[in-house]
Amino acid sequence: AQSVTQLDSHVSVSEGTPVLLRCNYSSSYSPSLFWYVQHPNKGLQLLLKYTSAATLVKGINGFEAEFKKSETSFHLTKPSAHMSDAAEYFCVVSGGSTLGRLYFGRGTQLTVWP
Amino acid sequence: DTGVSQNPRHKITKRGQNVTFRCDPISEHNRLYWYRQTLGQGPEFLTYFQNEAQLEKSRLLSDRFSAERPKGSFSTLEIQRTEQGDSAMYLCASSLEGTGTNEQFFGPGTRLTVL
Repeated sequence: AQSVTQLDSHVSVSEGTPVLLRCNYSSSYSPSLFWYVQHPNKGLQLLLKYTSAATLVKGINGFEAEFKKSETSFHLTKPSAHMSDAAEYFCVVSGGSTLGRLYFGRGTQLTVWP
Repeated sequence: DTGVSQNPRHKITKRGQNVTFRCDPISEHNRLYWYRQTLGQGPEFLTYFQNEAQLEKSRLLSDRFSAERPKGSFSTLEIQRTEQGDSAMYLCASSLEGTGTNEQFFGPGTRLTVL
């Protein structure tokens, strides 16, 4: 079975400071992992994806995530937060026998203070 | 705009009424997905199509829900005899088979409010 746990429901940072959004996954197969972002009244946008190539994945807007199989983690980071990063972030897993569906975490709301 | 589109964007209905939503995927994408998102939760999978065939349905998709994709292009999601618990954002996504990643592209969603 596939599942995702986002360890923080809310994260607050000051502009210019690093961002860390934590995600642990469970998968019976070699998973594909994604981070999506959802701005208010906007659709879900893909930030980055891991598909068994390099374990350090670079995405849009300066975000990165590192796949750590031994820790079953896929944490999202950014060196310096910007006001425009304030949004809801979802960690997502896919793969195996239920190839069609994506399994979403509950989301982490990122607040960026000026 | 060549992204996924959904109509209507908002729907308010009274309990017991039927509603239908439409999704137009990215034109070359042969896979289409429906998800439901309630407040404070991540999206939950409902069903998906590969071309015209409905390949998987979630247990969340009760008998009151039906989805179609008759020509392998657009899809409709119908909810019969709506209940207040059906109030949610209904998201559609599409993808192209064979990319190996299952990356899905999402539409803006249809927000349903059942009074």
